[in-house]
Amino acid sequence: LAKTTQPISMDSYEGQEVNITCSHNNIATNDYITWYQQFPSQGPRFIIQGYKTKVTNEVASLFIPADRKSSTLSLPRVSLSDTAVYYCLVGPGTGRRALTFGSGTRLQVQP
Amino acid sequence: DTEVTQTPKHLVMGMTNKKSLKCEQHMGHRAMYWYKQKAKKPPELMFVYSYEKLSINESVPSRFSPECPNSSLLNLHLHALQPEDSALYLCASSPTPIQELNRGAFFGQGTRLTVV
Repeated sequence: LAKTTQPISMDSYEGQEVNITCSHNNIATNDYITWYQQFPSQGPRFIIQGYKTKVTNEVASLFIPADRKSSTLSLPRVSLSDTAVYYCLVGPGTGRRALTFGSGTRLQVQP
Repeated sequence: DTEVTQTPKHLVMGMTNKKSLKCEQHMGHRAMYWYKQKAKKPPELMFVYSYEKLSINESVPSRFSPECPNSSLLNLHLHALQPEDSALYLCASSPTPIQELNRGAFFGQGTRLTVV
């Protein structure tokens, strides 16, 4: 199983760029990397997904090096409303690993 | 419609009660999931349905009984629960394979269950 390792928590200030790194040394060839955001008492929300190199959407960027053993979620200019738990998921398209959550990173954004 | 709707939002039940949680989606997703989440912990996968068939049961106690009556609806029947089963129960749906539309899985807001 491609176990993921993320920092337990991170602190930032409004307006800063935040990079959260996820380690997944045993990633398989058919695994994708997906990040979700979760606010207290709400369901997780999809942020971004990638397979290799760099992916960017309207809310974040995802950087994946060539060996794919890690990935970095980049949140530009965070605001207080970005305070949440961020989960890195690594898995194939189907099966139990497709949507299995690791421990996550608790991001606290200060004013 | 890009929502997963869960009802009820809150539920308090006694240990001898029978209750059901309901989840609905109209995105045409053929995979649906139940999760249990305790405070400050990640969501823990319980069941996965694929094309209305139970494909994964993560060794969940039989007091939790899932049901998928059709492609839009997912139920979780609860019977003889214990206080430690109190948690946020989340439902999710996704295309299969999950990466197909590059939007991941969609989660409901959850049902906050308290067993007394």
